Amino acid sequence: DAKTTQPPSMDCAEGRAANLPCNHSTISGNEYVYWYRQIHSQGPQYIIHGLKNNETNEMASLIITEDRKSSTLILPHATLRDTAVYYCIVRVIDMRFGAGTRLTVKP
Amino acid sequence: EAQVTQNPRYLITVTGKKLTVTCSQNMNHEYMSWYRQDPGLGLRQIYYSMNVEATDKGDVPEGYKVSRKEKRNFPLILESPSPNQTSLYFCASSSFLWQGGNSPLHFGNGTRLTVT
Repeated sequence: DAKTTQPPSMDCAEGRAANLPCNHSTISGNEYVYWYRQIHSQGPQYIIHGLKNNETNEMASLIITEDRKSSTLILPHATLRDTAVYYCIVRVIDMRFGAGTRLTVKP
Repeated sequence: EAQVTQNPRYLITVTGKKLTVTCSQNMNHEYMSWYRQDPGLGLRQIYYSMNVEATDKGDVPEGYKVSRKEKRNFPLILESPSPNQTSLYFCASSSFLWQGGNSPLHFGNGTRLTVT
């Protein structure tokens, strides 16, 4: 199963773009990249997913490299409410989360 | 409203007293999964199920049982709880697409279990 690697923590200034990287160098051709976030102890919330092409929705943008070995989640204008743990996972049968990246948005 | 419902939200019990945490989804999802979350360890998968009568172990299955007799329900059973099973538990579900899958996981609100 493909595994993901994320930095444990990142800071971002309020109003600026937050760019969260994820490495998934062993990803298979039919595996999607998913991003979720978890605020405090709430259930994780789906953000966005993609296979090959870049994706954008009302929450974020997802940039996947051409070789699909890494991706970046972009929150274009981070707010204090975006402070959370962000998880990048690769869609496999047993969807396993790592420790994620703790993003802190600062005023 | 599409949702995953876990019960109870909070549970305090004693070592060795069997308990069941229920999970139900109303979205006709094939895939269901249980996770536990401990400080600094992220979400770790306990068991998952790809459909009725099909369950598989995740990363940390020891001390837990599950069953999937109906599509909508996926209870987590602790036959003899121990203090190291004190944790925050999440149930999740999604549509499982054999073509590769593009259905996000829906999570319940969590069950905070304390075993004394």
